[in-house]
Amino acid sequence: GAVVSQHPSWVICKSGTSVKIECRSLDFQATTMFWYRQFPKQSLMLMATSNEGSKATYEQGVEKDKFLINHASLTLSTLTVTSAHPEDSSFYICSARDDGGTDQETQYFGPGTRLLVL
Amino acid sequence: SQELEQSPQSLIVQEGKNLTINCTSSKTLYGLYWYKQKYGEGLIFLMMLQKGGEEKSHEKITAKLDEKKQQSSLHITASQPSHAGIYLCGAAPRLGSYGKLTFGQGTILTVHP
Repeated sequence: GAVVSQHPSWVICKSGTSVKIECRSLDFQATTMFWYRQFPKQSLMLMATSNEGSKATYEQGVEKDKFLINHASLTLSTLTVTSAHPEDSSFYICSARDDGGTDQETQYFGPGTRLLVL
Repeated sequence: SQELEQSPQSLIVQEGKNLTINCTSSKTLYGLYWYKQKYGEGLIFLMMLQKGGEEKSHEKITAKLDEKKQQSSLHITASQPSHAGIYLCGAAPRLGSYGKLTFGQGTILTVHP
């Protein structure tokens, strides 16, 4: 099946710094990617939809100025957590939909990035 | 907004036993996904159901979507320790919005050898 990678797989940073997380579709093009967040022992919550060549759309309650999304190419979306604070510590997972796949409803998820803000 | 409720929240079975996990929606399901997750890792796609009454199988796992498209079940036959993990159902909020999934809270499955 299609593969989505994320980098880094984990990151520890100091409070107040910014952290960039990459999401790549390795063998397919994805006009649209999605960013989710998962707190310990909770389910995934959609944060935002990343659209290639246009602005991301954010879910209610997600601060767009804090979680900057850039979808500069059909295979790469980045999520930057600006001025990170301990409450931003979470597991961030991206997903992508294969533009050219026969089953275009299938979502492929990345392995996730664990962020710990000290 | 659509809400998904999974039951049971956790399940402990002996290897070789069959088990069923349910996912119930407050609204019509336009696309129902089943994923498996090891804690702290990414999601592994299992199956996606769209049509009322649809049933799909992959190895020892079978998923069904009821005719009213508001409930889905995931059935594992002759469970193995490799089946252990967190099972999540996810739903598309409306036709065409297949990427913006709402997830259930997950079912933690433990399989004892």
